[in-house]
Amino acid sequence: GENVEQHPSTLSVQEGDSAVIKCTYSDSASNYFPWYKQELGKRPQLIIDIRSNVGEKKDQRIAVTLNKTAKHFSLHITETQPEDSAVYFCAASLSGGYNKLIFGAGTRLAVHP
Amino acid sequence: NAGVTQTPKFQVLKTGQSMTLQCAQDMNHEYMSWYRQDPGMGLRLIHYSVGAGITDQGEVPNGYNVSRSTTEDFPLRLLSAAPSQTSVYFCASSRALGETKAFFGQGTRLTVV
Repeated sequence: GENVEQHPSTLSVQEGDSAVIKCTYSDSASNYFPWYKQELGKRPQLIIDIRSNVGEKKDQRIAVTLNKTAKHFSLHITETQPEDSAVYFCAASLSGGYNKLIFGAGTRLAVHP
Repeated sequence: NAGVTQTPKFQVLKTGQSMTLQCAQDMNHEYMSWYRQDPGMGLRLIHYSVGAGITDQGEVPNGYNVSRSTTEDFPLRLLSAAPSQTSVYFCASSRALGETKAFFGQGTRLTVV
């Protein structure tokens, strides 16, 4: 089955800096890669996703890149703000049929003013 | 539109007791799943369902049962609670075909003493 590894487990940056979180997956058949943000005590919420036929996707200050050959994908947050502080999870699944999401262990991001 | 609703929000059980965590969605989603969240381990898939009458095991199914008698409801049963089942449980739903965004419930914090 699919296995997703996520690094780093914690990340501390100064406000305005960029943050990068990396994930690798094991199943080459996986073709859907979402990122979820979870604020303290809240439910995970989708912030961006990418499918395997796309190499990069941007949405304002966040972007995701995918390297299918190396089986890794990354989340990039630019111009970080204190409200970006949260736990971020990557996930992988086979889409189009059954959306069985397998998650990474999470990255706790702290943005310091 | 309530989305995904979980009950209860908090629960304390004694070892050996049984209970059912409720999950309901009003978005007519085909796909529903249960995850448990433990510190440093991300979200691990317990069981999932691709439609009424169809369920399957995820990564960590032992000690849990599910059923899907209707599209809306997907209850999770703990047969004989153990301290190792102390965790935060999340239910999620999504359209199985063509749209893979998962919507999470607010979570149930379960403590087994």
